[in-house]
Amino acid sequence: AQTVTQSQPEMSVQEAETVTLSCTYDTSESNYYLFWYKQPPSRQMILVIRQEAYKQQNATENRFSVNFQKAAKSFSLKISDSQLGDTAMYFCAFMKRGGSNYKLTFGKGTLLTVNP
Amino acid sequence: DTGVSQDPRHKITKRGQNVTFRCDPISEHNRLYWYRQTLGQGPEFLTYFQNEAQLEKSRLLSDRFSAERPKGSFSTLEIQRTEQGDSAMYLCASSLYGPGGTPYNEQFFGPGTRLTVL
Repeated sequence: AQTVTQSQPEMSVQEAETVTLSCTYDTSESNYYLFWYKQPPSRQMILVIRQEAYKQQNATENRFSVNFQKAAKSFSLKISDSQLGDTAMYFCAFMKRGGSNYKLTFGKGTLLTVNP
Repeated sequence: DTGVSQDPRHKITKRGQNVTFRCDPISEHNRLYWYRQTLGQGPEFLTYFQNEAQLEKSRLLSDRFSAERPKGSFSTLEIQRTEQGDSAMYLCASSLYGPGGTPYNEQFFGPGTRLTVL
């Protein structure tokens, strides 16, 4: 079974600054995907960024980037130039690759507040 | 199609009553998932369908829970004899698995149904 741990229940950042959210995971699988999902207040969860475990290069999506350390089983999210619209709950998630990919295993989440 | 929709968005019920939630996935998606999110926790997998077949149920899904996807389109999740511990947000997600879908089986989430059991 996989576990995902987010050790920061809440974080805050000033608008335009950079913030890093932490995530560690535990698995015996060698092939998997890791994701960061964003859940704004009272709105549906959306995918922010994904990382394939077999790729060494860290994924980037505009202002969002990850630091993937496979040996350490660490997967942090960096948000650059933070915007007010980034205020949301952020969930780190794991999915086994191969077979019939299906189930996401989520961490408890980090509530990020961007202050003006 | 504007995404995954869920109905109702909020449901308040008394302990012991039955409740049913509906999920309408993105129209071409063949997979549909149910997750439960309690306060302070991330979503937890409950069950999923490929077309009309229910392929896996989590241990979290007690005998009081039943899910269906009769024609491979919308799905319903019923909870019988609700208990206060059933209070949670119930999330539905859908994905296109196979040709045309992403290799990472991207799941698109609905807004959820918040259940409060008094």
